[in-house]
Amino acid sequence: GENVEQHPSTLSVQEGDSAVIKCTYSDSASNYFPWYKQELGKRPQLIIDIRSNVGEKKDQRIAVTLNKTAKHFSLHITETQPEDSAVYFCAASETSYDKVIFGPGTSLSVIP
Amino acid sequence: DAGVIQSPRHEVTEMGQEVTLRCKPISGHNSLFWYRQTMMRGLELLIYFNNNVPIDDSGMPEDRFSAKMPNASFSTLKIQPSEPRDSAVYFCASSPGTSGEGELFFGEGSRLTVL
Repeated sequence: GENVEQHPSTLSVQEGDSAVIKCTYSDSASNYFPWYKQELGKRPQLIIDIRSNVGEKKDQRIAVTLNKTAKHFSLHITETQPEDSAVYFCAASETSYDKVIFGPGTSLSVIP
Repeated sequence: DAGVIQSPRHEVTEMGQEVTLRCKPISGHNSLFWYRQTMMRGLELLIYFNNNVPIDDSGMPEDRFSAKMPNASFSTLKIQPSEPRDSAVYFCASSPGTSGEGELFFGEGSRLTVL
């Protein structure tokens, strides 16, 4: 089955700096890669996703890149703000609605 | 829509007791997922349903866990008997389940403590 790894497990950045979180997956059949943000005590919520026919996707300060050959994908947050502090999960799925397997999460702290 | 609704929000029980967690997915969504979240193991997929049919239950830890989806608007996750190691936050999530619409909509979770 699919296995998703994520690094780093914790990340601290100064406000205004960029943050990068990297993930790898094992199943070459996976073709849908969402990212979820979970604030303390809250539910995970989708922030961006990418499909295997796209190499990069941007949404304001957030961007995701995908390298299918290497089976890895990354989340980039620019101009970080304190409200970006949360746990970020990458995930992989064979289809858009098949089982979604999550990475272990990255705890991001943005220091004002 | 009110979103995915889970109950109870908090449950404290003693080892050996039966626990039933409930979930009402978003109306019209075709897929329903149960996840367990702990510090040690992160978000683990326990089981998921498509059109009320269980598709993959390989994540269910053992026979003490069972899940049902008798209709499109209701699902339960049952633990019998419960053990302290079952303490976790259990999330239910639903998805439209059609190509190009892969977002999981999570409920607020049920925090289970087994003493």
